[in-house]
Amino acid sequence: AQSVTQLGSHVSVSEGALVLLRCNYSSSVPPYLFWYVQYPNQGLQLLLKYTSAATLVKGINGFEAEFKKSETSFHLTKPSAHMSDAAEYFCAVSESGTGNQFYFGTGTSLTVIP
Amino acid sequence: NAGVTQTPKFRVLKTGQSMTLLCAQDMNHEYMYWYRQDPGMGLRLIHYSVGEGTTAKGEVPDGYNVSRLKKQNFLLGLESAAPSQTSVYFCASSYNFLTEAFFGQGTRLTVV
Repeated sequence: AQSVTQLGSHVSVSEGALVLLRCNYSSSVPPYLFWYVQYPNQGLQLLLKYTSAATLVKGINGFEAEFKKSETSFHLTKPSAHMSDAAEYFCAVSESGTGNQFYFGTGTSLTVIP
Repeated sequence: NAGVTQTPKFRVLKTGQSMTLLCAQDMNHEYMYWYRQDPGMGLRLIHYSVGEGTTAKGEVPDGYNVSRLKKQNFLLGLESAAPSQTSVYFCASSYNFLTEAFFGQGTRLTVV
């Protein structure tokens, strides 16, 4: 069965510091992996996605994520946090052949301290 | 380009009342989904559809019904609302389950 684990429901970083949001998944076949961002009182929007091409994926707003098969991880990073990055971040996985659906993690709330 | 539109944005129901949430997408997507979002629990799939006239149960389907009579619309119904159904509901659509999902702005439902 597929599952997604996001370590740390709340992460705080100082403005200008590295952002690291963790995501681990379980999948029996090569997965498709996504990171979404949710700003207050809004729906989710796609940050980036991994679809079995390059393992380092670049997304919008300076975010990137690296697919590591050996660690079953897809951590999200950004070199320098901005105040505007404060939001909820969700990791999601889907895979061919099962469920016809996405599986979401429980989310990580990012706070940026000025 | 509207994307995914949810109606209404806010609603307060009394226990036992019924209501229908409407989701409309203009991207010609086959797949549509209804999720609920609760604090600390992320997004949980209620029902989904892989095409016009089809529906399937997700993780938390009890107390909800859905219909997909037209490709662009996906309706979520609550027949007899309960306080446990107080939540934020999101509709999403995608070309398939391996591609990006597009989300609506959400419906905040309170059942008193």
